Amino acid sequence: QVQLQESGPGLVKPSETLSLTCAVSGYSISSGYYWGWIRQPPGKGLEWIGSIYHSGSTYYNPSLKSRVTISVDTSKNQFSLKLSSVTAADTAVYYCGRRGTAAGIDYWGQGTLVTVSS
Amino acid sequence: SYELTQPPSVSVSPGQTARITCSGDALPKQYAYWYQQKPGQAPVLVIYKDSERPSGIPERFSGSSSGTTVTLTISGVQAEDEADYYCQSADSSGTYQVFGTGTKVTVL
Repeated sequence: QVQLQESGPGLVKPSETLSLTCAVSGYSISSGYYWGWIRQPPGKGLEWIGSIYHSGSTYYNPSLKSRVTISVDTSKNQFSLKLSSVTAADTAVYYCGRRGTAAGIDYWGQGTLVTVSS
Repeated sequence: SYELTQPPSVSVSPGQTARITCSGDALPKQYAYWYQQKPGQAPVLVIYKDSERPSGIPERFSGSSSGTTVTLTISGVQAEDEADYYCQSADSSGTYQVFGTGTKVTVL
């Protein structure tokens, strides 16, 4: 059974960098699929942040592209998100997920709330 | 930027049929996916490739596509179907993923 688990600080100060990691079990990241991040501000809808293909190619939401970096560590079977220069608008539940080609996001992490506040 | 538009809310009585639309210019070229999200939980994929149903998803969930609009249909709605529903697709190049604005389904 594929499982994804987000981890990282729950509180980040404005202007700093948000860093999260998604640990994957039950499937090897290097075997395929896109691995991505999605966020959901409190009481609002889902927003795609970006994805990394198992080969290392990255795809970012144009509205966040200047601040986002997604990387993968195949030795630890995990991938990471860095979002720089955060503001209160970046407060959200952050989800990691696995997406297949023409298959949708079939596995999601449970989500982790990140609050941006001083 | 590319947008997918959904109605904010749909209300339906138990046993009736709920239809949720999602409109976007690239939908004739790109597949659509549908997710169900209940409060405090991660989304769950209920339809992929416009109309395919993942294993474990009840048959009352179905999807269809026509031009720039895709539709999620829940036939014989049950109380447990009360949730937020989101469509998801890609821009015309297939590079960027986008989520719809979301629809809250209320079972009366």
